[in-house]
Amino acid sequence: NAGVTQTPKFQVLKTGQSMTLQCAQDMNHNSMYWYRQDPGMGLRLIYYSASEGTTDKGEVPNGYNVSRLNKREFSLRLESAAPSQTSVYFCASETGTFEGKQFFGPGTRLTVL
Amino acid sequence: SQKIEQNSEALNIQEGKTATLTCNYTNYSPAYLQWYRQDPGRGPVFLLLIRENEKEKRKERLKVTFDTTLKQSLFHITASQPADSATYLCALVGNEKLTFGTGTRLTIIP
Repeated sequence: NAGVTQTPKFQVLKTGQSMTLQCAQDMNHNSMYWYRQDPGMGLRLIYYSASEGTTDKGEVPNGYNVSRLNKREFSLRLESAAPSQTSVYFCASETGTFEGKQFFGPGTRLTVL
Repeated sequence: SQKIEQNSEALNIQEGKTATLTCNYTNYSPAYLQWYRQDPGRGPVFLLLIRENEKEKRKERLKVTFDTTLKQSLFHITASQPADSATYLCALVGNEKLTFGTGTRLTIIP
């Protein structure tokens, strides 16, 4: 039982490059979330998916897209990376939606030059 | 606008003493309040959840209080140990949103 896994752990991009962050959970959770964490800003919600086939914007969705591939997997795509997207990205999952405890992955540290 | 404040960025406590962390909020009517622990380089880990109709919750050496009149939650770690050193985040659940505070970095000094 791995919980929530994320790949890659680290990534360096040049401005304008694209990439996809992968997230998978093996707890049969309905809801999945993508956050970014920046110093002094706390965790901010980018997008979430309350169930397979649905996605919704969070607090800071601009510059990102998501795909809920199936119940297990939820990916985050940066189409044209910008230095402002340098951050640590966390994926999380939860049985319900915004009501119980969330399980977080280990994070992806992304640097955009 | 809605705001969550955790009392300080950093807190140093002597081993064996009780550490008390504060989470204040404004312009919220949260249904739940949660506390998470985050170690350097890792994702947050859920610790406790307290509902708006609960005054206090305990789990081993941890105690959380929730005062909806004062709009404040207190998080206590009794008999603190160096292994309790971490960043602690509060998070409010309300209006179908979960919003995190910026965290308090707790250091337990041996």
